[in-house]
Amino acid sequence: EPEVTQTPSHQVTQMGQEVILRCVPISNHLYFYWYRQILGQKVEFLVSFYNNEISEKSEIFDDQFSVERPDGSNFTLKIRSTKLEDSAMYFCASRPPGHSNTGELFFGEGSRLTVL
Amino acid sequence: TQLLEQSPQFLSIQEGENLTVYCNSSSVFSSLQWYRQEPGEGPVLLVTVVTGGEVKKLKRLTFQFGDARKDSSLHITAAQPGDTGLYLCAVPTIYNQGGKLIFGQGTELSVKP
Repeated sequence: EPEVTQTPSHQVTQMGQEVILRCVPISNHLYFYWYRQILGQKVEFLVSFYNNEISEKSEIFDDQFSVERPDGSNFTLKIRSTKLEDSAMYFCASRPPGHSNTGELFFGEGSRLTVL
Repeated sequence: TQLLEQSPQFLSIQEGENLTVYCNSSSVFSSLQWYRQEPGEGPVLLVTVVTGGEVKKLKRLTFQFGDARKDSSLHITAAQPGDTGLYLCAVPTIYNQGGKLIFGQGTELSVKP
């Protein structure tokens, strides 16, 4: 069964360092998302991406964050200068075509980011 | 104020018991989804409900969407240890665009053998 894959599964970094989290969405999906979940808190929307551009972003997604789809398969989230509060699980998700009304998402297993 | 309120927040039961968890809101939604998340993994879609009053069954899990499409429940019959996990409800924020999902805070279920 096709699945969303994410790398790395866990990354530890120093505050102020740049981090790139990578995702390979399911191949025929058209909409891509990043969510995050701080330990013990809700799953929160960060950004949605469609047709090679951001379609929506949350207040969390400030200038330190960027997304890119550099080729036909990868979807990346970059954090330019990490802060302690960026420590969280970051989930990539994608949506199959034809589900625009109900918005079901397929999530990857997540990348745990720890900022020291 | 939370858009989606899930209750209870934590639930610990013995294998074989039945349980119901709830997802409530004062807003009306076009659809609602239930996900299950295991520790260290991403949420996995269980079901989508669309029509007010709709009931969907997935083996021992029964999902119901409220008549007014403001709330939903998940009932598990004869719970098993494999049902342990975080149960999340989520709603799309923009009808007909399938934009971002808003999640509830989840119900953490523990089923003890």
